[in-house]
Amino acid sequence: GAVVSQHPSRVICKSGTSVKIECRSLDFQATTMFWYRQFPKQSLMLMATSNEGSKATYEQGVEKDKFLINHASLTLSTLTVTSAHPEDSSFYICSVAGSPSSYNSPLHFGNGTRLTVT
Amino acid sequence: KQEVTQIPAALSVPEGENLVLNCSFTDSAIYNLQWFRQDPGKGLTSLLLIQSSQREQTSGRLNASLDKSSGRSTLYIAASQPGDSATYLCASQGGSEKLVFGKGTKLTVNP
Repeated sequence: GAVVSQHPSRVICKSGTSVKIECRSLDFQATTMFWYRQFPKQSLMLMATSNEGSKATYEQGVEKDKFLINHASLTLSTLTVTSAHPEDSSFYICSVAGSPSSYNSPLHFGNGTRLTVT
Repeated sequence: KQEVTQIPAALSVPEGENLVLNCSFTDSAIYNLQWFRQDPGKGLTSLLLIQSSQREQTSGRLNASLDKSSGRSTLYIAASQPGDSATYLCASQGGSEKLVFGKGTKLTVNP
């Protein structure tokens, strides 16, 4: 069964509005979750590392005030795209480490969220 | 900065054929190399994870090899089936637990 649940799978919103994406770890507690973004025909790019109970760590070039991450519990991380613009249209996907250290076991990915900003 | 390249970008083969997907990376200081499968509009499914100390991993019809010194990994798929059609991604994992992905190889297996 699914290890990571991500919702919604698709969302269409108007420019200027905010969209929240949820990522839930179903089988285990996750102190760390990762948020990726994938533009068409491009690689998945890490946006930020979500840390339970503390601030997220953002990758270079990712605006922390635009992409708000909240990891308030060991099973839930949320990504909010604030004041969305058409260039934010992309495939957003979260992942969870399968063990305390992700080096020895693969990450588990959600099914992703297709965001379209009109 | 780690860069991961996958060749070819797309591949179309007849059913039953054996095939090899290639992945190269610029920084050999990795903890592991992972292969994933991505179906259209879907998330990623982990296929194989090769630790930096390992040379290969096998799962069913899949075999992945790793040559860290040359910065290369290959994914071998035996007796391909139409259900194998998907995009295959490789990713290296370094000290920060971050995964650096290639752009993927889109595989089409024709019945």
